[in-house]
Order: sequence, then structure tokens, then C-alpha cells
Amino acid sequence: AQKITQTQPGMFVQEKEAVTLDCTYDTSDPSYGLFWYKQPSSGEMIFLIYQGSYDQQNATEGRYSLNFQKARKSANLVISASQLGDSAMYFCAMRARTAGNQFYFGTGTSLTVIP
Amino acid sequence: EADIYQTPRYLVIGTGKKITLECSQTMGHDKMYWYQQDPGMELHLIHYSYGVNSTEKGDLSSESTVSRIRTEHFPLTLESARPSHTSQYLCASSELRTGANIQYFGAGTRLSVL
Repeated sequence: AQKITQTQPGMFVQEKEAVTLDCTYDTSDPSYGLFWYKQPSSGEMIFLIYQGSYDQQNATEGRYSLNFQKARKSANLVISASQLGDSAMYFCAMRARTAGNQFYFGTGTSLTVIP
Repeated sequence: EADIYQTPRYLVIGTGKKITLECSQTMGHDKMYWYQQDPGMELHLIHYSYGVNSTEKGDLSSESTVSRIRTEHFPLTLESARPSHTSQYLCASSELRTGANIQYFGAGTRLSVL
């Protein structure tokens, strides 16, 4: 079975500081992908970053980086230099090949950036 | 930037009405998906399609139906809306890009059934 766990329902961070959002996953599939999405209050889901299970290096996209620790089955999102516009829900997701490449989403973390 | 469009953005409707939520994408993606999301909760897959004339049910049981007659269009229909259908519905499509199979989402439809 595939499972994504996000244990932080809500997080606060000071503007311009870095913040780490936690995500752990469970799968027996050797080939899988890990994703982070941002959902502002307007409701759309915005793709942020992707990490493949065979990728040797951690993914980075601008201020976003994914701290991938395969042995611990964790894929934490790091946002550097937080901005007020980063306030949103953040969802971790996994795609596993043996699950027909379906996506499984975590319950999300609500991030609030404080001025 | 993803080009996937959902209409309407908001819909308030009475019990028993038939509704269709529209979803279109201009990226030529073969795969399309419908998710249901209650406020502040995770997404649940209700339907997906691998291409024209292909439709499958997702993990979450839903009374809705879908069709895929054209690659770019994946509408979702509720024959008789009920208050339990009140939720946000998100449409997505995906490509195979360097094996990532990233899903891109529309802006969503927030449905309220009175």
C-alpha cells in the first residue's frame, strides 16, 4: 500500500526565514516519484518540485528544495527566504509505478508567514 | 505554466439538479484526472482517463460520471446533486516528462448543493 504522511497541520515562519515542511512516505515500489504542491486560499494546486526515487541529488527549484532521505523514506520541502505570498497549504504527493502511477496525497500543512 | 481550465469556478445549486463540471486542457496530455477535496483536507481521486474513450473509477467512490470523447476535454457529470456532493472538484492532466509524470491542475470548481 502507498501512504503519505504529513505530521504538521500548521506551521508559522518569520518573513525572510527558512522553513522545513515534513513528509514521510511508505511504498514497496522501487520506482516512485515525490512531489510538492502549493494550494493558496483561491484553491488551485500549483506544482512546486519533483524528486525521482533514483535521483542521486536533491531537487531544487528557485527557493524550493527537496531534502530526500531515501533510507528514512522522507521528502521534506525546504523553503528559503520565506515571503508573505508563501502562506498557503502545502501537499506532499507520491506516484508509484505499481499503483498504476496514481498519485497519493498527504493531508497537507498550512504555512503562515509572519511579517 | 499549465493550460488547464475548469468552469464554473463556483456553483450553488439545488438538490436534484443535473450538473456538468467542465475541464479542458490545451497541452495535448493523454492522462486526465478528477479529484474531490473537502476544505483543508487531502485530495481523493474519483475518476481518471488514459486517453480518448478510456475512463476509470478512482479510489473514492463517487456518484458522478465522466466521459472522454476528445483528448482535451474531460467533463464530470452529477445526474442528481445532493448536499453530500458539496466539495471542491479539481481536474488535472499529466505528461511524461523525463519520467516525472507531473500532474498539472486547474483552478477547481467549488460546488455547494443546497
